[in-house]
Amino acid sequence: QKEVEQNSGPLSVPEGAIASLNCTYSDRGSQSFFWYRQYSGKSPELIMFIYSNGDKEDGRFTAQLNKASQYVSLLIRDSQPSDSATYLCAVNTNAGKSTFGDGTTLTVKP
Amino acid sequence: EAGVTQSPTHLIKTRGQQATLRCSPISGHTSVYWYQQALGLGLQFLLWYDEGEERNRGNFPPRFSGRQFPNYSSELNVNALELEDSALYLCASSYQQGGNEKLFFGSGTQLSVL
Repeated sequence: QKEVEQNSGPLSVPEGAIASLNCTYSDRGSQSFFWYRQYSGKSPELIMFIYSNGDKEDGRFTAQLNKASQYVSLLIRDSQPSDSATYLCAVNTNAGKSTFGDGTTLTVKP
Repeated sequence: EAGVTQSPTHLIKTRGQQATLRCSPISGHTSVYWYQQALGLGLQFLLWYDEGEERNRGNFPPRFSGRQFPNYSSELNVNALELEDSALYLCASSYQQGGNEKLFFGSGTQLSVL
């Protein structure tokens, strides 16, 4: 079992729809959770982080964390073609290491 | 504010050679992380340096090594290169510790081993 697993994708949604990206992790000691966006040929860029159970909203992005289920998700509302990218879920333990999932590729169709 | 800078952008080596990759963190960041991203795969953790010390290491052979200098810049060395070492090597820096590290990535070094 991988430490961090994401939907393999690709995920395709129409412009204006809600995109839902999911991630599960295996280490119950994980403390913090991150979503990075990686455009093709570019390096990852942090877009959201969450430390506590519940929802965290930032503009069109909402991160959701459920530690009991070891599940974290990212919702993108009013999806735009510019949101088309690979989204990487990352999980940190207190060892200072971010473990990444393999990513989900999102395509938003105009 | 300057971001994380990596050099060179591209590096071509032959099997058995050594490669040296360099990284300068964002000013004020003391931690540097190295990741390998092979084509179509996720990021694999290589090394974490903080305050000049190696703090953690991923599941890579000892021929992957590095160091951090007093100015917090870092170097990744890969000895006895193998074809499967061909990948994008990403450096990231952060200013927090204790499990809440937010990573800021450089543009990467594309290493090709022929």
